[in-house]
Amino acid sequence: DIVMTQTPLSSPVTLGQPASISCRSSQSLVHSDGNTYLNWLQQRPGQPPRLLIYKVSNRFSGVPDRFSGSGAGTDFTLKISKVETEDVGVYYCMQATQFPTFGQGTKVEIK
Amino acid sequence: EVHLVESGGGLVQPGGSLRLSCTASGFTFSNYWMSWVRQAPGKGLEWVATIKRDGSEKVYVDSVKGRFTISRDDAKNSLYLQMTSLRAEDTAIYYCVKAASGSFDFDYWGQGALATVSS
Repeated sequence: DIVMTQTPLSSPVTLGQPASISCRSSQSLVHSDGNTYLNWLQQRPGQPPRLLIYKVSNRFSGVPDRFSGSGAGTDFTLKISKVETEDVGVYYCMQATQFPTFGQGTKVEIK
Repeated sequence: EVHLVESGGGLVQPGGSLRLSCTASGFTFSNYWMSWVRQAPGKGLEWVATIKRDGSEKVYVDSVKGRFTISRDDAKNSLYLQMTSLRAEDTAIYYCVKAASGSFDFDYWGQGALATVSS
């Protein structure tokens, strides 16, 4: 199984300031079809997960442009340019190159 | 608009069975791989099972192999998860999840159904 490791596990952020979450996989996420299946999910309190970013850097429908994804191979990053109140929640990276596995989650909260 | 609505959750004793259902709308259900992902109370996400578009291929996480069965009825736009020999560690919210273009590239998630295994 591919192990996904996120850092930090908790991220207190001031409103309007940036936030960054890192995700590292135990092996390369480049699929035989040439795609890298690394997604980022947001889970607000009491809500199901929601897709934010797919295939490393593509924003899903309706996702604000303050969210961006980057990375390659085994190292990936989610950035929020200016954190808003509605961004509070837990963020997960997940890989879909092999049987899906998820990071432990990073809790984003307002200072 | 894509909607996935789970049902069938509840309280069951260890060793018992439960069948979860997911009704889909807003897309052509038969064209997409579908999955179940679970989340134990206060914990992270765990992929459980996936079924191919035509139902010909099914894959499971090791911890549920031989106990859980994923199936689909394209005429009813429905996905199912039959859970048997349930254990306390199966207690979780079970989410029905649609794939985008491939097998595991999840895009839409349902609201979830809570299955509680306890005596």
